Amino acid sequence: DSGVTQTPKHLITATGQRVTLRCSPRSGDLSVYWYQQSLDQGLQFLIQYYNGEERAKGNILERFSAQQFPDLHSELNLSSLELGDSALYFCASSVRWGQGADTQYFGPGTRLTVL
Amino acid sequence: DQQVKQNSPSLSVQEGRISILNCDYTNSMFDYFLWYKKYPAEGPTFLISISSIKDKNEDGRFTVFLNKSAKHLSLHIVPSQPGDSAVYFCAARSSGSARQLTFGSGTQLTVLP
Repeated sequence: DSGVTQTPKHLITATGQRVTLRCSPRSGDLSVYWYQQSLDQGLQFLIQYYNGEERAKGNILERFSAQQFPDLHSELNLSSLELGDSALYFCASSVRWGQGADTQYFGPGTRLTVL
Repeated sequence: DQQVKQNSPSLSVQEGRISILNCDYTNSMFDYFLWYKKYPAEGPTFLISISSIKDKNEDGRFTVFLNKSAKHLSLHIVPSQPGDSAVYFCAARSSGSARQLTFGSGTQLTVLP
């Protein structure tokens, strides 16, 4: 158990819908990262927040957005869903913003299926 | 453009023998490298890491070697155990302002009893 929690574990929805994925980082961690793993793909970085502020952006679609709240939990919002958005979405957290030996610990993931 | 490559999608090893997983990278800005293990339906689990200023880091049965000139790192597992069977991901972090991890595509390790 990494200490990172993600809810829900599974999510099935229809095209065009909007969903929210939630992540609670490890106690004391200030950074939250979101990654997407599609079928036959490695993990792709989406976005990072550090202490409530957006820190870095990867190949995140405009239909996707995220935020980190004062209690440091984070939500990833996916809207106008398409079939191709079906994937595993992982959240990771680290103590600092990523310098030095700042290891990222991953949650169990949310499996999103868009029908 | 794959900046981190794991060219072997799978590897089978006998229990008790050494497993060697390889990873190549192209970006000279990477300064920190990590290995994660992943079981089906679970998130990646951190195994071991190495800074670019070192060439070896050891933790129990796991040793990571870094060859900066060749832009190559490897993970050695000795002795291999059936419980080590999983997908292993190599990841690298840039020294630039964006500190996210870039992952390889993974190697499925199967340790045969």
